[in-house]
Amino acid sequence: EIVLTQSPATLSLSPGERATLSCRASQSVASYLAWYQQKPGQAPRLLFYDASNRAIGIPARFSGSGSGTDFTLTISSLESEDFAVYYCQQRGNWPLTFGGGTKVEIK
Amino acid sequence: EVQLLESGGGLVQPGGSLRLSCAASGFTFSSYVMSWVRQAPGKGLEWVSTIREGGANTYFADSVKGRFTISRDNSKNTLYLQMNSLRVEDTALYYCAKSVVGAPFFFDHWGQGTLVTVSS
Repeated sequence: EIVLTQSPATLSLSPGERATLSCRASQSVASYLAWYQQKPGQAPRLLFYDASNRAIGIPARFSGSGSGTDFTLTISSLESEDFAVYYCQQRGNWPLTFGGGTKVEIK
Repeated sequence: EVQLLESGGGLVQPGGSLRLSCAASGFTFSSYVMSWVRQAPGKGLEWVSTIREGGANTYFADSVKGRFTISRDNSKNTLYLQMNSLRVEDTALYYCAKSVVGAPFFFDHWGQGTLVTVSS
């Protein structure tokens, strides 16, 4: 099973700051990695798939990058609606796995 | 507009069974890989099971293999999850999720979930 390790667990930032979230895979998943955003009481929302393909409706301040075992989600300038939990997920190997999540909270 | 509406959750005793349903609309259901993903209270996301477009190929997490069955009725645009021999650790919000075009096994639409509570 591929283990996805997300860091940091919590990121405390102010609106307007840059957020950099990491997802590291225990073995290569090529580019088969997605990022999701989840707000309290809501279902997850797809941000990126295959590492850098932006999902429909996702603002340009979000970017996804990486390949192999190291991936990054960047939010260039945090807006109030971006404070949430972010998960990565791989489809490079069965079983599909999710990372443990990074909570982006208001500082 | 894509809509996924789960139902069938509830309170069940350990060892019991439940059948979850997910009614889909707003897209050609038979053309998409569909999945179930769960989230225990206050915890992260866990993939449960996936079924391919025609229903012939299914995949399960080790934690549910042999206890859960996934199926679909493309004539009714409905996805199912039959859960048997339920355990306390199966307690979670169960989401139905639709796969991305060209990137099956990633999920671009999710339902709001149905809560399964396993407790005596």
